[in-house]
Amino acid sequence: ETGVTQSPTHLIKTRGQQVTLRCSSQSGHNTVSWYQQALGQGPQFIFQYYREEENGRGNFPPRFSGLQFPNYSSELNVNALELDDSALYLCASSISGNWNEQFFGPGTRLTVL
Amino acid sequence: GDSVTQMEGPVTLSEEAFLTINCTYTATGYPSLFWYVQYPGEGLQLLLKATKADDKGSNKGFEATYRKETTSFHLEKGSVQVSDSAVYFCALSDQGGSEKLVFGKGTKLTVNP
Repeated sequence: ETGVTQSPTHLIKTRGQQVTLRCSSQSGHNTVSWYQQALGQGPQFIFQYYREEENGRGNFPPRFSGLQFPNYSSELNVNALELDDSALYLCASSISGNWNEQFFGPGTRLTVL
Repeated sequence: GDSVTQMEGPVTLSEEAFLTINCTYTATGYPSLFWYVQYPGEGLQLLLKATKADDKGSNKGFEATYRKETTSFHLEKGSVQVSDSAVYFCALSDQGGSEKLVFGKGTKLTVNP
């Protein structure tokens, strides 16, 4: 059984650029959630995907968008990058209805210059 | 909205010392409560959980009891080890449909030999 994987591990972008982060959920998990963890802070919920549709969204602007694919993997896209978008982006997978078991990937460290 | 407040860190202890990290929460309804641990350079790992009042979660010598009357979920360990050095996050599940996790800001623990 493979765990949650994320790619890339690290990424450096400049202001105004666009970025795509990827997540493969744990085997058998059909729900993916994305979190942003700024330095020295706790993770903040961005959004969740279930059955390829957004199923809840945190307080993030529309330039944060996502996708979920039929194999339950997911992408997080951020347009018009800002300096404050620099953070660790975490993906978590779970089985819908079993919400107390979210498994996190190692994260993607995004630096915006 | 729902929120989690953790004791400010960092916390520095000697090996075999007793550990308490305080966590209180504000929530509507009856959330589940979690402690996650983040080792340097890694993602989050679920340490323990409790899903209803008076439940005690335990794992690897760590314990926490869901106290509804004091809205608390304090983490304790009787004898810490150097390998316990990490950042600890208290979290609750928001059962508003997306079952997102709401995290505290984290408490960094350093255990010295």
